[in-house]
Amino acid sequence: GAGVSQSPSNKVTEKGKDVELRCDPISGHTALYWYRQRLGQGLEFLIYFQGNSAPDKSGLPSDRFSAERTGESVSTLTIQRTQQEDSAVYLCASSLRVSGANVLTFGAGSRLTVL
Amino acid sequence: AQSVTQLGSHVSVSEGALVLLRCNYSSSVPPYLFWYVQYPNQGLQLLLKYTSAATLVKGINGFEAEFKKSETSFHLTKPSAHMSDAAEYFCAVSRVGRDDKIIFGKGTRLHILP
Repeated sequence: GAGVSQSPSNKVTEKGKDVELRCDPISGHTALYWYRQRLGQGLEFLIYFQGNSAPDKSGLPSDRFSAERTGESVSTLTIQRTQQEDSAVYLCASSLRVSGANVLTFGAGSRLTVL
Repeated sequence: AQSVTQLGSHVSVSEGALVLLRCNYSSSVPPYLFWYVQYPNQGLQLLLKYTSAATLVKGINGFEAEFKKSETSFHLTKPSAHMSDAAEYFCAVSRVGRDDKIIFGKGTRLHILP
């Protein structure tokens, strides 16, 4: 597609429920990132997929968080047993190597509100 | 591991004045450095990047940043602020030769005073 597409754009859920957030990267982009942006905070790295390499999961805050990516296509971020502190905007970005440095194209984000 | 520190979560400057947003990095190997901007109700977009070529990097909308290895800094400047520059600015770092993650700072919100 022309840009990075994320869905849903808004999600309101009850504490304890599971949620799935989807990211559709730009076609041909080998790398895909997930970040979390809490209100008034910076971007918190969650997970990074690069091609067929094992993902870098070092930013996932707990075992309630997981993410999958099939090949170089869609990725899903799953949060199990949601807590109020999970409320945030979840940003997905994809990239194509430029000068050896990944330049990110961001999606519009999925805003998650846990009641 | 790599990290970024942005000094000042909020910066206010008068329209027409110099903009200076500070970023210091930490990296075990030479870094790639980035500035991204998030305008109100818009997604993040790349402003400029340093990839070990010229130390003074020019970006969009009149912004530039200078890589100073001795100071481990990559401060963002613009000679004359415009009202449309009001946004949140994020500095980010990754590592040369490493196929790894990009780490962002906490951001600096720039306010432009009329």
